[in-house]
Amino acid sequence: GNSVTQMEGPVTLSEEAFLTINCTYTATGYPSLFWYVQYPGEGLQLLLKATKADDKGSNKGFEATYRKETTSFHLEKGSVQVSDSAVYFCALSDQYTGGFKTIFGAGTRLFVKA
Amino acid sequence: NAGVTQTPKFRVLKTGQSMTLLCAQDMNHEYMYWYRQDPGMGLRLIHYSVGEGTTAKGEVPDGYNVSRLKKQNFLLGLESAAPSQTSVYFCASTDRVEGGNQPQHFGDGTRLSIL
Repeated sequence: GNSVTQMEGPVTLSEEAFLTINCTYTATGYPSLFWYVQYPGEGLQLLLKATKADDKGSNKGFEATYRKETTSFHLEKGSVQVSDSAVYFCALSDQYTGGFKTIFGAGTRLFVKA
Repeated sequence: NAGVTQTPKFRVLKTGQSMTLLCAQDMNHEYMYWYRQDPGMGLRLIHYSVGEGTTAKGEVPDGYNVSRLKKQNFLLGLESAAPSQTSVYFCASTDRVEGGNQPQHFGDGTRLSIL
């Protein structure tokens, strides 16, 4: 079945460092891809999304490009801040009979040190 | 601007007790979901609903029941709580749009401990 695999954490970076969190997926069709972020004590919230191949989603300095040829959707940020410390989830929207469900990766925890 | 609201936020139960978690959304979304989040396992889908009066099983449905009597509410019930159900439970909703490109909107979670 369809699945999402993302790099294990935790990832620890110093402030202003470059961030990459790898995400690859398996899907039979053409899913939409998402990155969600979860801050401590809160639910997940959408960070960015891309709905077709070669689309680039971006928000708050984060970017990810839908790469169909490598089935990847890696999250990047050029200069992280302490406030970016959170858990990041890669996800895809999977079609099934009757509608859509979202399949989430296991999450990658990011720590940013001042 | 409430979005998705979950009640209660915290609860401690004894093994064998029952309880209901309530999820309410004010965005007129068709789809609603219940997940559990455990360390190192990401989010696992328990049950979901594609509209008022409908429910379906997700990845880990055993030990849980759900109801969607009103479009805005999705209830998750534990009939006889077990320690293995200690977890953080999240409710989410999304609009029904062709292409599946709408994100899910999450509540802040219910932390449930079963002793």
